[in-house]
Amino acid sequence: GIQVEQSPPDLILQEGANSTLRCNFSDSVNNLQWFHQNPWGQLINLFYIPSGTKQNGRLSATTVATERYSLLYISSSQTTDSGVYFCAVERRSGGSNYKLTFGKGTLLTVNP
Amino acid sequence: DTEVTQTPKHLVMGMTNKKSLKCEQHMGHRAMYWYKQKAKKPPELMFVYSYEKLSINESVPSRFSPECPNSSLLNLHLHALQPEDSALYLCASSEQGLRAFFGQGTRLTVV
Repeated sequence: GIQVEQSPPDLILQEGANSTLRCNFSDSVNNLQWFHQNPWGQLINLFYIPSGTKQNGRLSATTVATERYSLLYISSSQTTDSGVYFCAVERRSGGSNYKLTFGKGTLLTVNP
Repeated sequence: DTEVTQTPKHLVMGMTNKKSLKCEQHMGHRAMYWYKQKAKKPPELMFVYSYEKLSINESVPSRFSPECPNSSLLNLHLHALQPEDSALYLCASSEQGLRAFFGQGTRLTVV
């Protein structure tokens, strides 16, 4: 199956700092999404971004599908950005699979 | 409305109990999912329903039994679980292969 690697595994920032999270995947994908899991377990969908660049407030994401990686940028970080950031991908091989494979995540801690 | 609602939020059950987890969405999505997540691990896919039919079963033990009564509802019936089944159970929905939305999850403890 497809492999998803996220880096760094852990990241500690001071409030106001910027950061870049990376997701590498082992094969071409039809679907790539970024999620934020808050300390209560809720998974929030940040971006659906199989290719290209998107921005949403202080967050932006870029996927370079031909080079098999995606980046999530967090600017002016806030303590509420703390949690685990997951990249998830899907490679469809015929039929209707809709199977998302998650990376191991990046644990972000933003200190005040 | 981009909400997926799961009930209950917390559940403690004995190994001989039968219980059910419920999931509901009103976004018109035709794909619904159950994931299991252990502490400090990523979510792992258990089941996928597409157009109310089971399309993926990731070799899940039969003590977990999914059900999709209609396009808005997804249940997970639990019976004779083991302590190692304690985890966060997440439901999600999506339009076919597009952006997935997750519920808040059910924290299950098997005693």
